Amino acid sequence: DGGITQSPKYLFRKEGQNVTLSCEQNLNHDAMYWYRQDPGQGLRLIYYSQIVNDFQKGDIAEGYSVSREKKESFPLTVTSAQKNPTAFYLCASSARGGEAAKNIQYFGAGTRLSVL
Amino acid sequence: DAKTTQPPSMDCAEGRAANLPCNHSTISGNEYVYWYRQIHSQGPQYIIHGLKNNETNEMASLIITEDRKSSTLILPHATLRDTAVYYCIVRVAGNNNDMRFGAGTRLTVKP
Repeated sequence: DGGITQSPKYLFRKEGQNVTLSCEQNLNHDAMYWYRQDPGQGLRLIYYSQIVNDFQKGDIAEGYSVSREKKESFPLTVTSAQKNPTAFYLCASSARGGEAAKNIQYFGAGTRLSVL
Repeated sequence: DAKTTQPPSMDCAEGRAANLPCNHSTISGNEYVYWYRQIHSQGPQYIIHGLKNNETNEMASLIITEDRKSSTLILPHATLRDTAVYYCIVRVAGNNNDMRFGAGTRLTVKP
């Protein structure tokens, strides 16, 4: 099936530890995104990438890092600099440019990160 | 991007139509209206989008006013599974540098 796969579903981080959230898509989409969602809140954009080997900071990039070495993969690392990482993390992808339909984002099931 | 305003919450009786409003008074001529929804603890799901004509698909209908300053998402026969947060977003076509989801409207469908 085509879609976006996020793993793991649940993740626990110890103090001072970096953790990496996986996001893989087989939709052949150029653009990929990471969002953070806190309880009862909307989504906030962390990073996005329109093409391989390029990515841009979103609204809350501090304490996070990403890479985009392959079209289908966009992993997010939550570093120890992120002091309040407990949240629901969502990855999305979309086709890039041109048409109204290419603003349609497809989301993964999310990773719920907690601090031990 | 144009800013949108949605009511924080709404209720609807099961089997009745759910009408979710969205104000986007600063929308420009090349901006589309998109609707997504997020069921609890899941990723958001695309529903529908439109520019100026009314649109319908298997999930919902989108009614955009003639001046394009507001729109309404209609779920014609709401079910309990339609309970979710509904997001209205205004975007220029093809400009997917980023997309901002606001707080949305929490729709509760009641039996």
